[in-house]
Amino acid sequence: VQLVQSGAELKKPGASMRVSCRTSGYTFTAYYIHWLRQSPGQRLEWMGWINPKNGGTYYAQKFQDWVTLTRDTSTNTAYMALSRLTSDDTAVYYCARDGSSDSQYYGLDVWGQGTTVTVSS
Amino acid sequence: DIVMTQSPLSLPVTPGEPASISCRSSQSLLHSNGFNYLDWYLQRPGQSPQLLIYEGSNRASGVPHRFSGSGSGTDFTLKISRVEAEDVGVYFCMQSLQTPFTFGGGTRVEIK
Repeated sequence: VQLVQSGAELKKPGASMRVSCRTSGYTFTAYYIHWLRQSPGQRLEWMGWINPKNGGTYYAQKFQDWVTLTRDTSTNTAYMALSRLTSDDTAVYYCARDGSSDSQYYGLDVWGQGTTVTVSS
Repeated sequence: DIVMTQSPLSLPVTPGEPASISCRSSQSLLHSNGFNYLDWYLQRPGQSPQLLIYEGSNRASGVPHRFSGSGSGTDFTLKISRVEAEDVGVYFCMQSLQTPFTFGGGTRVEIK
C-alpha cells in the first residue's frame, strides 16, 4: 500500500495550487482519504476527507471556502486544491488513508510522503 | 473543537528504559459504542507520521509490542516498555471522535 504525493511547490501570494496523492496496492474506492498539513512550528492540522467511492467530501470549517478535494478513480488519485494562498499556507501537506471499514475504526494507517508548499513573493 | 494537550514536551530517554507520554482531551473521547477515539502517531525525523495506536489501546499492524496505549475518557497514556534508538521522534495524539480531528502539540523523544 502506497500513497505518493506530487513534488514541492513554490507559489506567490494569491495563487492557487493543487497537490496530488497517487495510491496503489489497495482498492482506492474502499477507503477514505484525509488531508492534513503541518506548518512550521504548528501542530498538525486536519483539513478534511474525501470518499473516493462517490466523491463525497467533508471539510474542516476553517478550510471550507478555499479547499477543494477531488479524486480520479481512473488513476486512483486524490487531489487537494487550495486557492488564494497566503504565507500562512506555507506547510507540508499530507494525504493519509483512513483504514476504517463501515463498522470499525482503524486510524490513519498509511500516509503520503508529504508535499512542501512555500508561499512567498 | 476538542483541545488535545500532551506532556511532556520533551522526553530524554535511556535505551532499554521505559518511557511514558500523557495526552489529555478537553472532552471525553469515549463514544457510545464503547470505544475511545484516540490515536497515537510517531513522526521520525524527516518522515511522515505513522500510526502506532488506534482506539486508545489497539496497536496498528506491524507496531512492536513494546508500544502500548491505555486510558479512557479524557486521559490517555502511551508507554514504551524499553526504548530503542529507532523510537526517537515526535509523538502525537489525535482525537477522531469529532470533526475537525485535532492533534496534541507533540512530545519529542530523544536518546540521552
